[in-house]
Amino acid sequence: AQTVTQSQPEMSVQEAETVTLSCTYDTSENNYYLFWYKQPPSRQMILVIRQEAYKQQNATENRFSVNFQKAAKSFSLKISDSQLGDTAMYFCAFTTIQGAQKLVFGQGTRLTINP
Amino acid sequence: KAGVTQTPRYLIKTRGQQVTLSCSPISGHRSVSWYQQTPGQGLQFLFEYFSETQRNKGNFPGRFSGRQFSNSRSEMNVSTLELGDSALYLCASSSPSGQKKAGYTFGSGTRLTVV
Repeated sequence: AQTVTQSQPEMSVQEAETVTLSCTYDTSENNYYLFWYKQPPSRQMILVIRQEAYKQQNATENRFSVNFQKAAKSFSLKISDSQLGDTAMYFCAFTTIQGAQKLVFGQGTRLTINP
Repeated sequence: KAGVTQTPRYLIKTRGQQVTLSCSPISGHRSVSWYQQTPGQGLQFLFEYFSETQRNKGNFPGRFSGRQFSNSRSEMNVSTLELGDSALYLCASSSPSGQKKAGYTFGSGTRLTVV
């Protein structure tokens, strides 16, 4: 069974700082997808960034980038120039390329950006 | 393009009652999946429907059921409600091609409170 672990329940940084959220996962699959989702108080889960395991290049989306270490099964999210609107719960999620159409989520990291 | 719509937003039910939640996916999306989010258990996969067929099911009791209609709208039903069923229920839809790679689009959820 696949598992996803986020070891930081809460983090807090000042606006404009850079913050890195950690995520590790466990799987015997070789090909899969990894995602970071953001859940603000509005409750809607918003896709931040995705990574395909068969691509070595780390994904980037504007201020968001990942550090994907396949051998270490690590998938961290870096937020640069953090903004107040980045305040939210962040979830790391995993899904296999084949097999069940479902996401396995980590427990989440509550990120607060302070003015 | 309209997003994933979940109704109702909030629901209060009494123990022993049953409840039906609704999810309308993005137009053209044929896969709909459901997740339960609680503070203790986090996000857990309930089931996934594609073209009116349940393809995958999570580890939940038979009191949790669902269905999908020909227009891809989905409903989930919980019978004989228990206090532990209080949760945020999230629905997600994905496109028919490259489903997993593109990620999933979530609705804002239905907050169910069982008293």
